[in-house]
This record gives sequence, structure tokens and C-alpha cells, in this order.
Amino acid sequence: GAVVSQHPSRVICKSGTSVKIECRSLDFQATTMFWYRQFPKQSLMLMATSNEGSKATYEQGVEKDKFLINHASLTLSTLTVTSAHPEDSSFYICSAVGGTDTQYFGPGTRLTVL
Amino acid sequence: SQQGEEDPQALSIQEGENATMNCSYKTSINNLQWYRQNSGRGLVHLILIRSNEREKHSGRLRVTLDTSKKSSSLLITASRAADTASYFCATDGFGNEKLTFGTGTRLTIIP
Repeated sequence: GAVVSQHPSRVICKSGTSVKIECRSLDFQATTMFWYRQFPKQSLMLMATSNEGSKATYEQGVEKDKFLINHASLTLSTLTVTSAHPEDSSFYICSAVGGTDTQYFGPGTRLTVL
Repeated sequence: SQQGEEDPQALSIQEGENATMNCSYKTSINNLQWYRQNSGRGLVHLILIRSNEREKHSGRLRVTLDTSKKSSSLLITASRAADTASYFCATDGFGNEKLTFGTGTRLTIIP
């Protein structure tokens, strides 16, 4: 099956700093990638849809200036959490669509903001 | 906002037994998918069923879809300890790739 990677898998940062998370589709081209966040023992909540070469579309309640998304190529999307605070601590997961209806998910990034 | 509700929220069964999880949704869908998530890990795609399909099989997995009741079920037969995970259903609409996830079922297989 298609493989999606995320980097880093785990990051700890100080409050006020910015963190960049990368999402890559390794063996297929993804015109669309999605970013989700998941709190402990909860389901996934869609944050934004990332389209290659255009601006991301954010879900209601998600601050676009805080969660910067860049989809610079057909295999890479990045999520930057700017001026992170402890309440941003969460599990961030990306997914990529590669020409079928199936979304393939990355392994997730655990962000802890101290 | 969450569209799907899954029940039960948690399920514990003995190894070898069958596990059934249910998912209900609120609006019309194009596809319904089931995913598995091990603790602290990403999601693994299990099976996709289209709105015009009623049943689908993949190995020990059997998925049904009843669009009139807006519900789906996932049956895992002959469960194994390695099946212990959280299971989520997710739906998408026509012309819309965005997935809306259910609340999930935490399945524990007791050896």
C-alpha cells in the first residue's frame, strides 16, 4: 500500500517557539493532503486541507495564522505550529490522497509544549 | 464537528471470539472507511465500502453498510491479541475527499 511518512515523530518544545512538522508521500504523488489533530482517547479532528500549489483550506475554529500549512510539492506538505502553547500539545496526523478514494495516513507526530 | 457515532465505545472479548463494532452517521455519504489505530500510532486503512455496496469482505474482516439506516458494522472474526486497537469509521461525501471520523471503539482482545 501507499506509504506516508511524518517527521519528526515526537517533539518537545518551549512555549512561544514554532515547530514544523513534515508530511511526505513516499511512493505516490498527492495533490491533496489533510492535517488532523487528536487529543488523548479522542477521535481525529480535521484541521485543514492542503492542496499542492494553492492556499490551504482551514476548518472552522482553526486559526490559519497559528497553524501554517505549505504544500510546496506533490509529495510534501508542512504544518508549522507558530508560537506554540501548552494547549497545542496534541497528536498531529497527516494523510494523503493519491488518485483513489483512500486516504493514507502518516504515523503521527506527538507535540508536547512545555 | 463529529458526524459519526460508534458503539460500543469499548469492547473486551476473549481471543478467538468475534468482535462487532457499529458506526452511525448523519448525512449522505459517498464512501465509508474503517481504520485501525494502535495506541499512539497512525491510522491503518482496513477497508472501504462505497455507498452502493452493502457488504464487503477482506480476510477476517466483514463490513456491512445500510444507507437507509445510515449505519455500518465491522466484524472481526476469530480475533487475535494483535487486533487490540482502536477502530474508527470515517465517511466522505460526493465530490468531497474530506473525512469525518466517528468517535471510535477501543477493542481489547484478552489472550
